Amino acid sequence: GDSVTQMEGPVTLSEEAFLTINCTYTATGYPSLFWYVQYPGEGLQLLLKATKADDKGSNKGFEATYRKETTSFHLEKGSVQVSDSAVYFCALLGSNYQLIWGAGTKLIIKP
Amino acid sequence: DGGITQSPKYLFRKEGQNVTLSCEQNLNHDAMYWYRQDPGQGLRLIYYSQIVNDFQKGDIAEGYSVSREKKESFPLTVTSAQKNPTAFYLCASSGVASGGAYEQYFGPGTRLTVT
Repeated sequence: GDSVTQMEGPVTLSEEAFLTINCTYTATGYPSLFWYVQYPGEGLQLLLKATKADDKGSNKGFEATYRKETTSFHLEKGSVQVSDSAVYFCALLGSNYQLIWGAGTKLIIKP
Repeated sequence: DGGITQSPKYLFRKEGQNVTLSCEQNLNHDAMYWYRQDPGQGLRLIYYSQIVNDFQKGDIAEGYSVSREKKESFPLTVTSAQKNPTAFYLCASSGVASGGAYEQYFGPGTRLTVT
């Protein structure tokens, strides 16, 4: 069945460092892919999405490219800030229109 | 101002009591979802509804019940049969978005503590 695998956290970086959070998926066809962010004590917010192969989603300095060759959708940001500290979830849209979720990656940014 | 509201933000109950968590959306979305999140864990689907008066069990439906009498509302009841009800509960909704992505939009969550 469909599945999403994210790199385990926590990921700890210094402010202004380059961020990569890996996400790979297993699915039939080319599903829509998403990154969500959850700040402490809050609900999830959609960060970015890509609906077809080679699409690049971007928002708030974050980017992710839908790579069908490697079945990946890695999240990147060129210079992280303390305010980026949160949990990041990768997800894909399954064949029954349900989201299939990764386990989440906690990001800690130190000043 | 469209969105999803969940109330209350914090809820405390004694063991053995049923409790109902509220979820309302004004996004005109057809589908609604309930997830459970435990500390340091990902999301687990409890129930979902794709249309009024219809709903399906998710991965961890035991000890929970839902209703979908109105498009805007999808309340979740945590019954006394749920063995470990203390958790963070998230409600979400989705509809046909541009490009057909069906992304889900989330409420702020309700933190339930049962003692």
